[in-house]
Amino acid sequence: DQQVKQNSPSLSVQEGRISILNCDYTNSMFDYFLWYKKYPAEGPTFLISISSIKDKNEDGRFTVFLNKSAKHLSLHIVPSQPGDSAVYFCAATYNGANNLFFGTGTRLTVIP
Amino acid sequence: GAGVSQSPSNKVTEKGKDVELRCDPISGHTALYWYRQSLGQGLEFLIYFQGNSAPDKSGLPSDRFSAERTGGSVSTLTIQRTQQEDSAVYLCASSLDRPSAQNQPQHFGDGTRLSIL
Repeated sequence: DQQVKQNSPSLSVQEGRISILNCDYTNSMFDYFLWYKKYPAEGPTFLISISSIKDKNEDGRFTVFLNKSAKHLSLHIVPSQPGDSAVYFCAATYNGANNLFFGTGTRLTVIP
Repeated sequence: GAGVSQSPSNKVTEKGKDVELRCDPISGHTALYWYRQSLGQGLEFLIYFQGNSAPDKSGLPSDRFSAERTGGSVSTLTIQRTQQEDSAVYLCASSLDRPSAQNQPQHFGDGTRLSIL
C-alpha cells in the first residue's frame, strides 16, 4: 500500500525550461511534505519542504505547490540546469509518525 | 561539518551469511533511522531510534533483521541468514528532532549497497 506515489518514473527537459515533478498521496493525515534529490551512489539530500497550512513554498529556482483537496503536490524547477539531473523523491509524514513515507522517485534528465 | 557516515559502502556476501552495517549519525542528532531501497522502489522504513526511548521496529521485514544504537550515537543493522531478497541499498539518516518536526529534515548517508549471491 504505497501511500505516496510518483507515477512518472522519468522526465526529460531542455535546459532553461521548467521541470514539473508530480506526487500524489492517499493518507489524509499527512501534514508535512518534502522533496529529496538523489545522485547515483549518494544518499538523498533534502531540497525543499512544505507544511499543510501552506499551498506554496519557494526557494530560489525550486517551488513546491500543495493541493490538499486533490492530495497532490508538485515540484517546479525553473530554469532547469544540467546539474539538476538526478532522481527526485517525494516524501510525506504526519505529527506522531516515526518515519517519512517515500514515493518511488522520478528520474529527471536536463538536456543541455 | 561531518555528515552521516555509513560503512561499508559495498558488501557482497553469500546467501545464509550474517552481515552488519554501521551508521555514524551527525553529532548531536537524537533521531536515527534505517531505510532500504530495493531496485526500482522507493525508500522503505525499517527502524527508528529516538534518544533513549525504545526503538520503533515496526518496519523490520522479518526477525532476521535487528538493530541497535549504542550510547545514543552509532548504530548497527544486523541481518542474519541473509537471503537474496535482502539485496538492496541500506540507508541511514539522522535528524535533530522527531521525524515530523518541520524545518528539521532527515539527513542521509550514502548507503551500503548489499548484494547477496
